[in-house]
Amino acid sequence: DQQVKQNSPSLSVQEGRISILNCDYTNSMFDYFLWYKKYPAEGPTFLISISSIKDKNEDGRFTVFLNKSAKHLSLHIVPSQPGDSAVYFCAASGGGSNYKLTFGKGTLLTVNP
Amino acid sequence: GAGVSQSPSNKVTEKGKDVELRCDPISGHTALYWYRQSLGQGLEFLIYFQGNSAPDKSGLPSDRFSAERTGGSVSTLTIQRTQQEDSAVYLCASNIVGGSYNEQFFGPGTRLTVL
Repeated sequence: DQQVKQNSPSLSVQEGRISILNCDYTNSMFDYFLWYKKYPAEGPTFLISISSIKDKNEDGRFTVFLNKSAKHLSLHIVPSQPGDSAVYFCAASGGGSNYKLTFGKGTLLTVNP
Repeated sequence: GAGVSQSPSNKVTEKGKDVELRCDPISGHTALYWYRQSLGQGLEFLIYFQGNSAPDKSGLPSDRFSAERTGGSVSTLTIQRTQQEDSAVYLCASNIVGGSYNEQFFGPGTRLTVL
């Protein structure tokens, strides 16, 4: 049973436009959420995170929004650049003494010049 | 090196053989994690080491899988009697527990192919 779901396997946007990647979760014990970016043949790299006590976190072109009541988060990239083309993974942590991350299946973002 | 390193980068083996995958975490990181990513899937947690505490092995899919971490640094993931369904990219990550936002730093992975 998937606890973190990314329902869009792929997304294609034009350079300069906004990219919105979505993620849903089912476990209400999750208290920390992270987005990772992955290029082919490389490990995932951390992008941005948000605590469950917040509803928004912004870092440059990247903003993550959290809607706890809907158990939904989204990653906004504005403006999108061709170098942003990668697989984006949503991940969640239950905090406490166990820091393992539960990942979604990822969304392949393609930014077209 | 500054990042997490893993070896080998690729491993092709025959069904039934044993394999060992190695991870060198970032120096000073107390926590080490193993994940695997099967084709079309997200990353799946396998095992977690933190300092001298007993590891969390709750993600290991079968008793053919084992891992150890020697001296609080290098870790080896061993898969005995490999099966075709073990084919995946095996990723190692490390961090400092209690550090920034549970961020884990990943290595490039070992792509395992079982023929």
